[in-house]
Amino acid sequence: AQRVTQPEKLLSVFKGAPVELKCNYSYSGSPELFWYVQYSRQRLQLLLRHISRESIKGFTADLNKGETSFHLKKPFAQEEDSAMYYCALVLWTSYDKVIFGPGTSLSVIP
Amino acid sequence: DAGVTQSPTHLIKTRGQQVTLRCSPKSGHDTVSWYQQALGQGPQFIFQYYEEEERQRGNFPDRFSGHQFPNYSSELNVNALLLGDSALYLCASSLGAVRGAEGYTFGSGTRLTVV
Repeated sequence: AQRVTQPEKLLSVFKGAPVELKCNYSYSGSPELFWYVQYSRQRLQLLLRHISRESIKGFTADLNKGETSFHLKKPFAQEEDSAMYYCALVLWTSYDKVIFGPGTSLSVIP
Repeated sequence: DAGVTQSPTHLIKTRGQQVTLRCSPKSGHDTVSWYQQALGQGPQFIFQYYEEEERQRGNFPDRFSGHQFPNYSSELNVNALLLGDSALYLCASSLGAVRGAEGYTFGSGTRLTVV
């Protein structure tokens, strides 16, 4: 069955430290992966998608098919990065269906 | 652009009752997906509507049903409410079958509490 796991429920890092949010998936097909972010009192929003290989707000994520991972990384954490982060897997058959992981709450300590 | 609009924002219902939640998609979007987000968990896919038809469904019982109107807005109906239905219900809109293009645009959600 298709599944997304995020092993850390909570992650605390100091400002300026590197941060890595882990995401693993299980899917036999060709995966398309996203990271969504939810800041306090705001709605869930797209952060980045693997197919565009972009860097948003200093975050990057590389799809590793061998390890079935899509970890989110940032070299220097900022206080405004504190939020809930969800990794998501898009299944494409005829239509799209998004499977979300349970989320990781990132807290950046000043 | 108001983005995705959901109503109401909060709702309290009694066990056994029925509820209807509403969603207006982002301008230009024609596909609406509904998600249930229980406390401390990620969103769980309920179903998706496109061209006024349900085209995909997650692992939710038939008590959960929906509808999409010609203007692409959508409703989620839940019958015979259970305490376990208490959650944040999210609506997300997207543009048809545009593969992975821009992901989903989410609404702020409706917080349903069943007592």
